[in-house]
Amino acid sequence: LAKTTQPISMDSYEGQEVNITCSHNNIATNDYITWYQQFPSQGPRFIIQGYKTKVTNEVASLFIPADRKSSTLSLPRVSLSDTAVYYCLVARILTGGGNKLTFGTGTQLKVEL
Amino acid sequence: EAQVTQNPRYLITVTGKKLTVTCSQNMNHEYMSWYRQDPGLGLRQIYYSMNVEVTDKGDVPEGYKVSRKEKRNFPLILESPSPNQTSLYFCASRAQDRSNYGYTFGSGTRLTVV
Repeated sequence: LAKTTQPISMDSYEGQEVNITCSHNNIATNDYITWYQQFPSQGPRFIIQGYKTKVTNEVASLFIPADRKSSTLSLPRVSLSDTAVYYCLVARILTGGGNKLTFGTGTQLKVEL
Repeated sequence: EAQVTQNPRYLITVTGKKLTVTCSQNMNHEYMSWYRQDPGLGLRQIYYSMNVEVTDKGDVPEGYKVSRKEKRNFPLILESPSPNQTSLYFCASRAQDRSNYGYTFGSGTRLTVV
């Protein structure tokens, strides 16, 4: 599975846009990019997924360049409650449609007033 | 409410005493997985299942067993727990849906083996 590299930590202030970039140089053709959010002592929460170009939902946007070797999670107008660890994962789609997930170390986002 | 339920939330046990952590999902999902989370090592996949009676090893399967006799349940079994299995464990599930690869995670089980 493609190894992912993210910044260990980022700081921001309320109301700002936060962009977290993830590198996945060895991504394969049948790999999807997914992002999760995790609060302390809670299970990760799925945020967004993408294969290429741009994807947007009610929580975030995901930008993926044509070569797919990186992706950027964009969180618009963050608030204190967005303080969490964000994981970029490359999901390998296995035969039969199942996928194997490998979590990296994640990015600790801290939002301040 | 759609959810993945793990029990117990907290467990302290002694070395060698067999234990089972239960996981149940009410979303009729085909895929289920177990992870452990340790400081500095992140989340690592232990086992996963693609459907009833279909399971496979993840990245760190040693010392663990799983079974998938029913679609909704995916218990994690530690036949002879050791202190290095002290960790925070998460169960997760997702549907066999090629348009959605996001997993739903449980709230976690904090296991301490002394």
